[in-house]
Amino acid sequence: EIVLTQSPGTLSLSPGERATLSCRASQSVRSNYLAWYLQRPGQAPRLLIYGAASRAAGIPDRFSGSGSGTDFTLTISGLEPADFGVYYCQQYGISPGTFGQGTKLEIK
Amino acid sequence: EVFLMQSGGGVVQPGGSLRLSCGASGFTFDDYAMHWVRQVPGKGLEWVSFVGGEGDRTYYADSVKGRFTISRDNGKNSLELQMNSLTTEDSALYFCARDGLRWGPHYFFDHWGQGSLVTVSS
Repeated sequence: EIVLTQSPGTLSLSPGERATLSCRASQSVRSNYLAWYLQRPGQAPRLLIYGAASRAAGIPDRFSGSGSGTDFTLTISGLEPADFGVYYCQQYGISPGTFGQGTKLEIK
Repeated sequence: EVFLMQSGGGVVQPGGSLRLSCGASGFTFDDYAMHWVRQVPGKGLEWVSFVGGEGDRTYYADSVKGRFTISRDNGKNSLELQMNSLTTEDSALYFCARDGLRWGPHYFFDHWGQGSLVTVSS
């Protein structure tokens, strides 16, 4: 099983700032099958990025994914209030896939 | 607009059973594999099960294999999860989720239901 480790555990930033979230895999993720989700309190996760760098439908270009192999990054430029919540990465290169433990992005 | 509406869930004693349902709208239902994913409140996410678009392929996490059964009715655009022999370890918020691409499974999830809380307690 591929273990995903997300860092930092908590990130405190102000609206308008840039956020950089990391996801490291215990082994290489096949075909860069890596997704990112945002979960706001009381809501279901929402898909942001799949295939490491492809934005899901309706996701603004403030969100960008990058990386390959074992190291992946989600960058959010110009944070808006709706961007705060818990971010999860997920690898689906080896089914059924596994999730990271999450990074909480909180308002500073 | 894609919409997944869940029903079911509740409180059950260890060893009991529950059935979760998920109604889908806004897309061609049988084009997509469907999944169940669960989350212990305040904790991470765990994939539970999938069913292929035609309903002929299913797969389960080891933690639920032999106890849970996933099924779908393409005529009614509905997905179900029958959960038997429940233990306290099964207590979680259960989400139905659409596979991210047609003709899957691809095991990432582009639309989610609102969640159904299952509490297993004596």
